[in-house]
Amino acid sequence: DGGITQSPKYLFRKEGQNVTLSCEQNLNHDAMYWYRQDPGQGLRLIYYSQIVNDFQKGDIAEGYSVSREKKESFPLTVTSAQKNPTAFYLCAANRGHGSGANVLTFGAGSRLTVL
Amino acid sequence: AQSVTQLGSHVSVSEGALVLLRCNYSSSVPPYLFWYVQYPNQGLQLLLKYTSAATLVKGINGFEAEFKKSETSFHLTKPSAHMSDAAEYFCAVRRQGGSEKLVFGKGTKLTVNP
Repeated sequence: DGGITQSPKYLFRKEGQNVTLSCEQNLNHDAMYWYRQDPGQGLRLIYYSQIVNDFQKGDIAEGYSVSREKKESFPLTVTSAQKNPTAFYLCAANRGHGSGANVLTFGAGSRLTVL
Repeated sequence: AQSVTQLGSHVSVSEGALVLLRCNYSSSVPPYLFWYVQYPNQGLQLLLKYTSAATLVKGINGFEAEFKKSETSFHLTKPSAHMSDAAEYFCAVRRQGGSEKLVFGKGTKLTVNP
């Protein structure tokens, strides 16, 4: 079955360390997204990419970086510049165009805790 | 700019009772609207979507939602709650400008009591 795989599911980080969250999809979708989820705040868009080798900032991009070197992969790096990185991170993908383009498929998420 | 407001961060119902989760949207153009469900420590799954066809949309697991333009609402309902419906529910609207990005509400956590 096609889907989105996020790893690791749980990650602990010391302050001042960069960490990278993996997101891989086998749906052949063009567009990929990273959201951050905090209790009571819903989902907020960090970065998105509509095509390989191109990505745009979302609403809360500060302290984060991404790359999109392959269609199936969209890793997120949480840098030491992110002041409050403890959160649940969700990766998603969709076709990016055509009918059904609006439906996002989500991964199972990665929970990052800063010690 | 598009936005959604979910009324009630927590809703509690008895098993077998009606489920009603409220969502109001703000959009200057005909919206695309969605309901997603999230079980603990998991990603989100699509329940249903409205894309300007029928105003009453049926989704998975017996849920449905009605688009009411005059009330700018897209409330989610289910006639009879089941214990397995306990989860967090998110309403979302597609952003304007041809982008495929969604704006999510803050979520409503549904508790089902035996």
